[in-house]
Amino acid sequence: SQELEQSPQSLIVQEGKNLTINCTSSKTLYGLYWYKQKYGEGLIFLMMLQKGGEEKSHEKITAKLDEKKQQSSLHITASQPSHAGIYLCGADKGYGQNFVFGPGTRLSVLP
Amino acid sequence: GAGVSQSPRYKVAKRGQDVALRCDPISGHVSLFWYQQALGQGPEFLTYFQNEAQLDKSGLPSDRFFAERPEGSVSTLKIQRTQQEDSAVYLCASSPVVLSHSNQPQHFGDGTRLSIL
Repeated sequence: SQELEQSPQSLIVQEGKNLTINCTSSKTLYGLYWYKQKYGEGLIFLMMLQKGGEEKSHEKITAKLDEKKQQSSLHITASQPSHAGIYLCGADKGYGQNFVFGPGTRLSVLP
Repeated sequence: GAGVSQSPRYKVAKRGQDVALRCDPISGHVSLFWYQQALGQGPEFLTYFQNEAQLDKSGLPSDRFFAERPEGSVSTLKIQRTQQEDSAVYLCASSPVVLSHSNQPQHFGDGTRLSIL
């Protein structure tokens, strides 16, 4: 069972459009990680957030963690076909080595 | 290469056969994780090693699953008497730090896609 929820489950956007993916936990998160996965490949690390209210950006991708550290969003500006893939949020439970992932959001970007 | 390497990339086995999946972590990485990813789902934690010690195996679905990392580097995930529900992608990840909750992300291999007929 997944302890992290993601929305939407899938997303199709036209190239150049902005989009947001959300990740929600019922418990306070110690650390929140965003990964991207292409079909048949492993996970590529995007960003990590640890502090409430933290925001990080890399190229056209911005990730935020809310003050309560229970919700994170990933925003892509001016999407490109290269952004297509599955976006996964993952989190430390904070009390051990167990790590959980959300179910993923499948993004398609139409040229 | 310098990344996490997994082999084989694809494995097809008949139900009841035993399989062994290999993970070569990044050199010097202390932590090693195994995950199972079913189609259309996020990875699910299986087990964690700190060097050669298996500190957490709470995610292993049954006693048919066994993992080892005898010298603290290469790890093998073995599945005995495979069942169809074992079909999934098995991902290995490594990290340079001792604990997962740190400012260091896990580095993932490309996974082994296991199909049980």
